[in-house]
Amino acid sequence: LAKTTQPISMDSYEGQEVNITCSHNNIATNDYITWYQQFPSQGPRFIIQGYKTKVTNEVASLFIPADRKSSTLSLPRVSLSDTAVYYCLVGDPLMYNNNDMRFGAGTRLTVKP
Amino acid sequence: DSGVTQTPKHLITATGQRVTLRCSPRSGDLSVYWYQQSLDQGLQFLIQYYNGEERAKGNILERFSAQQFPDLHSELNLSSLELGDSALYFCASSVERDRTYNEQFFGPGTRLTVL
Repeated sequence: LAKTTQPISMDSYEGQEVNITCSHNNIATNDYITWYQQFPSQGPRFIIQGYKTKVTNEVASLFIPADRKSSTLSLPRVSLSDTAVYYCLVGDPLMYNNNDMRFGAGTRLTVKP
Repeated sequence: DSGVTQTPKHLITATGQRVTLRCSPRSGDLSVYWYQQSLDQGLQFLIQYYNGEERAKGNILERFSAQQFPDLHSELNLSSLELGDSALYFCASSVERDRTYNEQFFGPGTRLTVL
């Protein structure tokens, strides 16, 4: 299982673009990269998922270089409500081969006014 | 609202006891996942069921067991409870369109306190 490494915390200000990078040097061929957002005492919420290059949806972009050993979640123009913990998850989307799927510690993003 | 429901919302019990947590997935979702989140362990995957059958198993203790019923709801049974089992237990479900996409929808969680 690919282990992920993310910064423990990040600070930003309202209106700024935030980039959170996740390292996953041992990513396997079938593995996808998924990001989740979690607010205190709530279940995580899916943000975006990708395999390679760039994926964009209405809330974020995900950049994945050719070697796939890292990925960057980009949140455009953050607001105070984006303050949350962000998890990078690497694995088989259908979890056929994941016997120990861990979210890791995540990155605690604090957006300041 | 993710569409995933979990009951009860809170549960307080004593060491050595047994409890059952219940999860109803979103309509149409065949996969159910269980996670444990405690302060010192983060969010940890326990087990996954797909259409009634166990598909993947994480670091689930032998004292814990789960099942998914024909109506697709799932139950997580925790027995011989210890203080360290106090945590938030989340259930998630997914539609699993294909191997290229899998979004998990998480329920609100059950907060278990073992005294």
